[in-house]
Amino acid sequence: ELKVEQNPLFLSMQEGKNYTIYCNYSTTSDRLYWYRQDPGKSLESLFVLLSNGAVKQEGRLMASLDTKARLSTLHITAAVHDLSATYFCAGHLMNRDDKIIFGKGTRLHILP
Amino acid sequence: NAGVMQNPRHLVRRRGQEARLRCSPMKGHSHVYWYRQLPEEGLKFMVYLQKENIIDESGMPKERFSAEFPKEGPSILRIQQVVRGDSAAYFCASSPTSGSVETQYFGPGTRLLVL
Repeated sequence: ELKVEQNPLFLSMQEGKNYTIYCNYSTTSDRLYWYRQDPGKSLESLFVLLSNGAVKQEGRLMASLDTKARLSTLHITAAVHDLSATYFCAGHLMNRDDKIIFGKGTRLHILP
Repeated sequence: NAGVMQNPRHLVRRRGQEARLRCSPMKGHSHVYWYRQLPEEGLKFMVYLQKENIIDESGMPKERFSAEFPKEGPSILRIQQVVRGDSAAYFCASSPTSGSVETQYFGPGTRLLVL
């Protein structure tokens, strides 16, 4: 059974700083998703990572995937207040159609 | 192109009543997924449906919960005889095909409160 663990679960940081959110998963997953959720809102897709070594960047966010280590990271560069949200990673359960298993989320609060 | 639509956005029910949550997938999407999110938690998979078929319901509680996706109309998640523990946000997602590398697209959610 695929398990997805994120850390940290809570993160408070100053604007302008860099930080990384880690996502470990327990068994083989053929793709890794990152989503953003603002309070009371739905989930917004950020990245889909498909292969070992994949790196994707959008603005101040960069996601990477290491399938051998079963680890994905979401790196935030020079954080700004607008990035405050909860970030979820999710793995795809192979051979189970589109069943996605979510981590508990990292609640990110960026202080002005 | 309208996104995934869910209604109602907020639903209040008393214990023992029924809750019906509706989801209309994105245009051209024939795969629908339902997830439940408890406060401070991630999303938990409930059920995956295609038109007129339940493909995977491994995340559905065995009693009181049912889902359908008829040939015409939205997908419905039905909760009978609701209890306080059913209070949660219920999200629907859709995708165009099974096994697609595309991500699932999520609706705005229905927040169910059971009094």
